[in-house]
Amino acid sequence: DGGITQSPKYLFRKEGQNVTLSCEQNLNHDAMYWYRQDPGQGLRLIYYSQIVNDFQKGDIAEGYSVSREKKESFPLTVTSAQKNPTAFYLCASRGRKTDTQYFGPGTRLTVL
Amino acid sequence: GQQLNQSPQSMFIQEGEDVSMNCTSSSIFNTWLWYKQDPGEGPVLLIALYKAGELTSNGRLTAQFGITRKDSFLNISASIPSDVGIYFCAGQLGSGGSNYKLTFGKGTLLTVNP
Repeated sequence: DGGITQSPKYLFRKEGQNVTLSCEQNLNHDAMYWYRQDPGQGLRLIYYSQIVNDFQKGDIAEGYSVSREKKESFPLTVTSAQKNPTAFYLCASRGRKTDTQYFGPGTRLTVL
Repeated sequence: GQQLNQSPQSMFIQEGEDVSMNCTSSSIFNTWLWYKQDPGEGPVLLIALYKAGELTSNGRLTAQFGITRKDSFLNISASIPSDVGIYFCAGQLGSGGSNYKLTFGKGTLLTVNP
């Protein structure tokens, strides 16, 4: 089946540890995105990548890092510099010929 | 970053009732999207609107792209319990580069009483 997968669904980390969230898509989409969602809030853009080996900061990039070494994969690292990392993280992708973004199932990160 | 004004924030309705929600922006967009999110899941695209004035339906859902390009609404007719969830609007400038970034409203939480 074609789609976007995020793993794990739930993730727990101790404060001060870096953690990497996985996002994989087999839709052959060029662009990929990472969003953060907090309760009662809309989605806020962390980073996006329009092509392999290229990515740009979104609205709230501080404390996060990404890489785009393969078209299918866009991992997000939440570093210890992120002051409030507990949130629901959503990955999305977009094909070249469409304006619409399609989302993965999300990863809920809890930092203890 | 900019956010859209989405209203209402929440709605409690009886099964069978119609629902209406809307989004407004101070900036124009060339694409409006409506998503639905179930608890603990990713948003699912419901309707995409690409042209000012466009009215598009998807089953019991109807959405319109405002003529000024600064607003959009979503209607749900004859609501059923599985309509429960959070509905998000999103605007996009489109046409290359960072213009494909989506700007999201804060969502409308819909509760349907059987």
